[in-house]
Amino acid sequence: AQRVTQPEKLLSVFKGAPVELKCNYSYSGSPELFWYVQYSRQRLQLLLRHISRESIKGFTADLNKGETSFHLKKPFAQEEDSAMYYCALSNNAGNMLTFGGGTRLMVKP
Amino acid sequence: DVKVTQSSRYLVKRTGEKVFLECVQDMDHENMFWYRQDPGLGLRLIYFSYDVKMKEKGDIPEGYSVSREKKERFSLILESASTNQTSMYLCASSSTGWNYEQYFGPGTRLTVT
Repeated sequence: AQRVTQPEKLLSVFKGAPVELKCNYSYSGSPELFWYVQYSRQRLQLLLRHISRESIKGFTADLNKGETSFHLKKPFAQEEDSAMYYCALSNNAGNMLTFGGGTRLMVKP
Repeated sequence: DVKVTQSSRYLVKRTGEKVFLECVQDMDHENMFWYRQDPGLGLRLIYFSYDVKMKEKGDIPEGYSVSREKKERFSLILESASTNQTSMYLCASSSTGWNYEQYFGPGTRLTVT
């Protein structure tokens, strides 16, 4: 069975500090991974997907198959990055997602 | 711009009541999903529909059923609400194909007393 683990429920950093939100997965196939974000009073929305290898709002995530991880990183956190972040893993058919428990990021001024 | 709407933002029901949560999307998406969102547990898939009248169970279907009579509408039904079904319910939709983005509704916070 596929599983996504986000070990930190809450991560608190100061503005300008680097931030890393951890995501580990277990999956027998070739994984496709995503990060979704939910800002206060807004809908859950896609932040980035590993297959695109893109940087969105300064965030990047690298898939490490050896460590089965897909950590989300940003070199300099901003207050507007404060949100709930979910890591998600797609099934083989590419039509269903398994989400992690989420990490709340708080960026303090 | 994709729009996924849910019938209620807040709902309070009594134990044993039948509850309907409605979701409508306007992007002609084939796939629709119902999740519940609980602190520390993240999002858990209740049911998934890939076409009209077609459905698949997700991770936690017990106590729930769904209906998809029209492509744009996906309903979640709690036949007899219980207090452990108090939660935030999120609807999402996506286009068919491999790993298309899921678009989420604003959520319905259901409280069962």
